[in-house]
Amino acid sequence: ELKVEQNPLFLSMQEGKNYTIYCNYSTTSDRLYWYRQDPGKSLESLFVLLSNGAVKQEGRLMASLDTKARLSTLHITAAVHDLSATYFCAVDDRRGADGLTFGKGTHLIIQP
Amino acid sequence: GAVVSQHPSRVICKSGTSVKIECRSLDFQATTMFWYRQFPKQSLMLMATSNEGSKATYEQGVEKDKFLINHASLTLSTLTVTSAHPEDSSFYICSAFRQGETQYFGPGTRLLVL
Repeated sequence: ELKVEQNPLFLSMQEGKNYTIYCNYSTTSDRLYWYRQDPGKSLESLFVLLSNGAVKQEGRLMASLDTKARLSTLHITAAVHDLSATYFCAVDDRRGADGLTFGKGTHLIIQP
Repeated sequence: GAVVSQHPSRVICKSGTSVKIECRSLDFQATTMFWYRQFPKQSLMLMATSNEGSKATYEQGVEKDKFLINHASLTLSTLTVTSAHPEDSSFYICSAFRQGETQYFGPGTRLLVL
């Protein structure tokens, strides 16, 4: 059974600080996804990481993937209030043709 | 990115009634769609995989007779919650898999069963 573990599950931080969310998974998949979810909304795709060593950046968010360690990180640089949301990582077993297994999510609150 | 729609976005029904939710891929064809369920303050859980022209594949613990899935065309999958009960109240999100790319998620349907 594929397992995806995120930590922390809850994070409160101040604007301007840096922090990292971790995502460990149990399969040998080399595709990992990061999503953002705002309250009452569906998922917004942030990053798709397709291979070992992949690193992607968008604004203050940067995601990386280490398939050997089965670990992905989502790093937040100089956080701003607008980044407050719940962040999910997810993994699939078969190149997108299977449903995704999600982590429990990290509820991020960024305080002014 | 590709666009996936869901209808309705919100539905309230009485216990014992059936509710149908539609998921459409608007600008691409999807042989495979997925249905997820999300309870408040929890993560998304895969319910079933919907395959065009064949039977859906259900995850362990999901009752196929309660959650009927039909994928009659390459752009439409429907989820029918039969004899809905309050414990079925949840946020239902579909996704459509675009070949060679990734899954694209719909906006979700919030179901409240009274």
